[in-house]
Amino acid sequence: EVQLVESGGGSVQPGGSLRLSCAASGFTFSSYGMSWVRQAPGKGLEWVSYISSSGFTIHYAGSAKGRFTSSRDNDKNSLYLQMNSLRAEDTAVYYCAGTYSTDTDWYFDLWGRGTLVTVSS
Amino acid sequence: QSVLTQPPSASGAPGQRVTISCSGGTSNIGSHAVNWYQQFPGTAPRVLIYTDNQRPSGVPDRFSGSKSGTSASLAISGLQSEDEADYYCATWDDSLIGAVFGGGTKLTVL
Repeated sequence: EVQLVESGGGSVQPGGSLRLSCAASGFTFSSYGMSWVRQAPGKGLEWVSYISSSGFTIHYAGSAKGRFTSSRDNDKNSLYLQMNSLRAEDTAVYYCAGTYSTDTDWYFDLWGRGTLVTVSS
Repeated sequence: QSVLTQPPSASGAPGQRVTISCSGGTSNIGSHAVNWYQQFPGTAPRVLIYTDNQRPSGVPDRFSGSKSGTSASLAISGLQSEDEADYYCATWDDSLIGAVFGGGTKLTVL
């Protein structure tokens, strides 16, 4: 069974840091590009970052650039998101998503259940 | 303000056909395939349509996708109460160098 399980969410004060993890199983993780997608309470979906299967290519949304760092460990079948300088507007459920990408096609075909990050003083 | 524009809401009676639009530009829908996601309250999204008009296994053929130029549509025929959910379109944007979502459409089955 394909599974993506996020962890590491919680409450943090503005300016603080958190590291999210996503444990993958049931598929060949090292062959899959991966993304983080977030959803603020009552709001829509927002893509945060993408990392290629090898880890060599990484893209960030403007809201994440300079503050968030995506990484992966293919030996551990794990994806990570280091989030620094957190702001109230980063409060959201963060989903880990398996990502299919080509030059003309891009979609998230595997999803975890998400982990909630709350940034508040 | 989302890069892709969707109506915030849509509705239809059981058995009817409903269409949800997604409007973008040349750097996103005009250059890349469009995907649609379905999300029920409190749950993770799932891909409903990928590569403009392809259905993953398990998705009923009542759901169909199409694209023309810089716009795309999701059609749901034979509407059922269990179709009541939020629907999002998405694609890649060359100008932003990132994935973009529509703001989402809340579908109500009357």
